[in-house]
Amino acid sequence: EDQVTQSPEALRLQEGESSSLNCSYTVSGLRGLFWYRQDPGKGPEFLFTLYSAGEEKEKERLKATLTKKESFLHITAPKPEDSATYLCAVQATGGYQKVTFGTGTKLQVIP
Amino acid sequence: DTEVTQTPKHLVMGMTNKKSLKCEQHMGHRAMYWYKQKAKKPPELMFVYSYEKLSINESVPSRFSPECPNSSLLNLHLHALQPEDSALYLCASSQVVDRGHGYTFGSGTRLTVV
Repeated sequence: EDQVTQSPEALRLQEGESSSLNCSYTVSGLRGLFWYRQDPGKGPEFLFTLYSAGEEKEKERLKATLTKKESFLHITAPKPEDSATYLCAVQATGGYQKVTFGTGTKLQVIP
Repeated sequence: DTEVTQTPKHLVMGMTNKKSLKCEQHMGHRAMYWYKQKAKKPPELMFVYSYEKLSINESVPSRFSPECPNSSLLNLHLHALQPEDSALYLCASSQVVDRGHGYTFGSGTRLTVV
C-alpha cells in the first residue's frame, strides 16, 4: 500500500527564516509526486509535480526536490502570506489511479 | 477559465433530507473527482470519473450517489446522511486520469448534518 509521511506536523518561522518541509513516501512505482498548498476552509492549490529522482521545480520562494524515497519543499525567505498547510501526495504507476495524500505540514510565518 | 466551481459553499441538512452538491469545470478536463476532508486530515478519495464514466468508488456508502451528466459537470447526491458525514467536500479535475497530472480543486462545500 502506498504511504506518505510528512514532517514536521507544524512549523513556525520568523519572516525571512528559510526552512524545509519533508515528505517521505513508499510506492511500488512512482507516476508522480505532488505538492499542494491549502488555506483554511479552501481546497488545495496545486504547486508542483515531480516525476523522477533528481528533478527540481521552483515557484517564487518555493523549491521542490525529489529523491527515490523523499521530497523536500524548501521555502526561502518566507513571508506571512506563505502561511498555509502544505500537502504532499503520490500517484503510483499501474492500473490504479488513486492519489494518496500525506497529513500535511502546517506552516506559520510570523512577521 | 482555470477554475473548478462548487455550489453551494455551505450546506446544513437534516438526516432525512435529500440534497445535491454541484461541481463544474470548463478546462476540458476529462477526469473529475470527489474528495471528503475532515478537520486537520488529508483529503480522502471518494469517487473518480474518467470520460464521464465512474472508474473508482472507494467503498463509499450508498447514501452518497455520484453523477456525471456531461464532461463539465459532476454532482454528488446526498440522502439519509449521518452526523459523522459532516465534512468539507471537495471536487477536483485533471486533464486525464493516471498520467501524473496535478489536480485543480474547487473551494469545497462545507456540509453539516444535524
